[in-house]
Amino acid sequence: GQQVMQIPQYQHVQEGEDFTTYCNSSTTLSNIQWYKQRPGGHPVFLIQLVKSGEVKKQKRLTFQFGEAKKNSSLHITATQTTDVGTYFCAGPDGTSYGKLTFGQGTILTVHP
Amino acid sequence: GAVVSQHPSRVICKSGTSVKIECRSLDFQATTMFWYRQFPKQSLMLMATSNEGSKATYEQGVEKDKFLINHASLTLSTLTVTSAHPEDSSFYICSASYSRGGTTSYEQYFGPGTRLTVT
Repeated sequence: GQQVMQIPQYQHVQEGEDFTTYCNSSTTLSNIQWYKQRPGGHPVFLIQLVKSGEVKKQKRLTFQFGEAKKNSSLHITATQTTDVGTYFCAGPDGTSYGKLTFGQGTILTVHP
Repeated sequence: GAVVSQHPSRVICKSGTSVKIECRSLDFQATTMFWYRQFPKQSLMLMATSNEGSKATYEQGVEKDKFLINHASLTLSTLTVTSAHPEDSSFYICSASYSRGGTTSYEQYFGPGTRLTVT
């Protein structure tokens, strides 16, 4: 079945440093989504990428979808303590409408 | 927009009892709802997909007789954990997705989750 791998599993940074998490799918994706889950909270939808090579920005966050539509990345510039949480990528599993396969997530810790 | 509520947020129950968790889409009609289970510092484990008016589709390894799912309307899905045991203690999260104007929308909107503790 489809697998979505995400690395690293953990990332500790000093406030102000940059952070990147990478996502790789075993199959070509029609789209990829990113979610953020704060400690003790629930996942919140951040963005969806659809086009090959697409790059989208949300303030300090930059999301990229690979040319082959099998990988993606999330880059945060100059991290802040409010960026703490787990970042998940997810892609449609291709078998059921709306069903997503989530990556394992990257837990980001930002030290002040 | 796209707000999903979930109740209760926390529940403690005794072993052998049943617990019902409600998931509601507040400002949109959810064509599909999903139920996940999440262990500490781990990813989301999909339990089942729930479509309004039809039987839920369970993932492999999930006992359908233990985790009863009902999707009675386009805004409400319920998960009942029957005869709960301590190993059922976990964080249960629902999510909802919708289609709009014939366009497929895959993004999911999550409820705040329910922390179940079985003693």
